[in-house]
Amino acid sequence: AQSVTQPDIHITVSEGASLELRCNYSYGATPYLFWYVQSPGQGLQLLLKYFSGDTLVQGIKGFEAEFKRSQSSFNLRKPSVHWSDAAEYFCAVGLGYGGSQGNLIFGKGTKLSVKP
Amino acid sequence: GAVVSQHPSWVICKSGTSVKIECRSLDFQATTMFWYRQFPKQSLMLMATSNEGSKATYEQGVEKDKFLINHASLTLSTLTVTSAHPEDSSFYICSASRVEGTEAFFGQGTRLTVV
Repeated sequence: AQSVTQPDIHITVSEGASLELRCNYSYGATPYLFWYVQSPGQGLQLLLKYFSGDTLVQGIKGFEAEFKRSQSSFNLRKPSVHWSDAAEYFCAVGLGYGGSQGNLIFGKGTKLSVKP
Repeated sequence: GAVVSQHPSWVICKSGTSVKIECRSLDFQATTMFWYRQFPKQSLMLMATSNEGSKATYEQGVEKDKFLINHASLTLSTLTVTSAHPEDSSFYICSASRVEGTEAFFGQGTRLTVV
C-alpha cells in the first residue's frame, strides 16, 4: 500500500541555521512527490513538486528537495531558516492519472519551530 | 496562484444536527474538487473527489450518506456533515483543480466542533 513517512514529528532549529526535513515514501510506480507548508489555522501552500527530470527540485521561499529513488526519499532542505518558516510541513505522494495533485497521500507532518 | 476559500472557518454545532461547509474557487473554474479530513496531530486523509455535475467519488471507509458532497457549479462544492456526532469533530480542508491532474489549490480549512 502507498504510504508516506515523516520520521520527525517536531524539529527546532535556530534562525539562520540549515534545515532538512525527512520524507520517505512507499509507492509501486513512479512517484509524484510534493511538499506543502501549513501555517496555524491556514490551508496548505505548495512549496515544490517532483514529477520527473532533475532530481533536485527548487521551490518557493528558498526551499529545495532532492528525490532519491534508491532511498525512497524526498527530503526538504533550506540553507538558512527564517523565523517566518515556523509552520507544519507535509510531504505527499500523488496518486491517480498524471500524478493528480488532488488525490494525495500525506505524511503526518513535521512541525518546525525556529529559535531566535 | 489561484485562491480557494472555505466558509465557515470554524463552526460549533450540537450533536444530531447537520452542518454545511462551502468551498469556493474565487478566481478560477474548478472542474475537480477534493475534500480532506485532518485529525489532530495526524495527516490529511482524502475523503472524496467531486467533479462538477457528477456524483462524488468517496474513499473507502467514508460514509457517503453522512458526508454529503455537492459540486453543482464550477466554483462551488459543499460538504454537509449530517447528524453530526462528537467523533466528527475535525479539521476539514478542500482543494480545487482547474482540470484533474493539474495543481490543486487548498482552502484554509474549516474547524468543526460537535458538542
